Amino acid sequence: DQQVKQNSPSLSVQEGRISILNCDYTNSMFDYFLWYKKYPAEGPTFLISISSIKDKNEDGRFTVFLNKSAKHLSLHIVPSQPGDSAVYFCAASEKTSYDKVIFGPGTSLSVIP
Amino acid sequence: DAGVIQSPRHEVTEMGQEVTLRCKPISGHDYLFWYRQTMMRGLELLIYFNNNVPIDDSGMPEDRFSAKMPNASFSTLKIQPSEPRDSAVYFCASSDRKGTGHNSPLHFGNGTRLTVT
Repeated sequence: DQQVKQNSPSLSVQEGRISILNCDYTNSMFDYFLWYKKYPAEGPTFLISISSIKDKNEDGRFTVFLNKSAKHLSLHIVPSQPGDSAVYFCAASEKTSYDKVIFGPGTSLSVIP
Repeated sequence: DAGVIQSPRHEVTEMGQEVTLRCKPISGHDYLFWYRQTMMRGLELLIYFNNNVPIDDSGMPEDRFSAKMPNASFSTLKIQPSEPRDSAVYFCASSDRKGTGHNSPLHFGNGTRLTVT
């Protein structure tokens, strides 16, 4: 039973437009959330994170939004660039066990030039 | 600055053989994690260590899987005997969480692609 869900296996977006990647979670004990990005033949790399005490965190072109009541978060990329084409993993950890990071299945983003 | 180093990059073996995957974490990092990536299940946490001590191995699928961390700069994940359903990409990651860095991000290696025929 997956605690972190990414229901869209893939997403295609035109260069310059906004990319929105969604993530849902079932564990109400999760209180720290992260996004990782993965290129083929490489390991995932950290992108951005958000604590449950916030509802938004921004870093350049990347913004993560958290809706705790809906147990939903999203990653916005504006504007999207071809180099953003990768697999994006949503991840979460519990207040009582920050060490244990649980990942979703990933969403493959293709940014079309 | 060297990142997390995993070896081998690719491993092809026959069912029933022993497989050993290796990981060198980033120097100074106190946490080490083993993950497995499959199409069906995404990235699954298998086991993690803090200061070389296994903390949580609840993700290890079966007794055929074992992991060790004999010192701060080396860890192994062993599968004995291997089965075709073990075919996946295995990632090692490390993190520096000394002090208050509980949410310090994970630094992943490039993975070992295991194929069991």
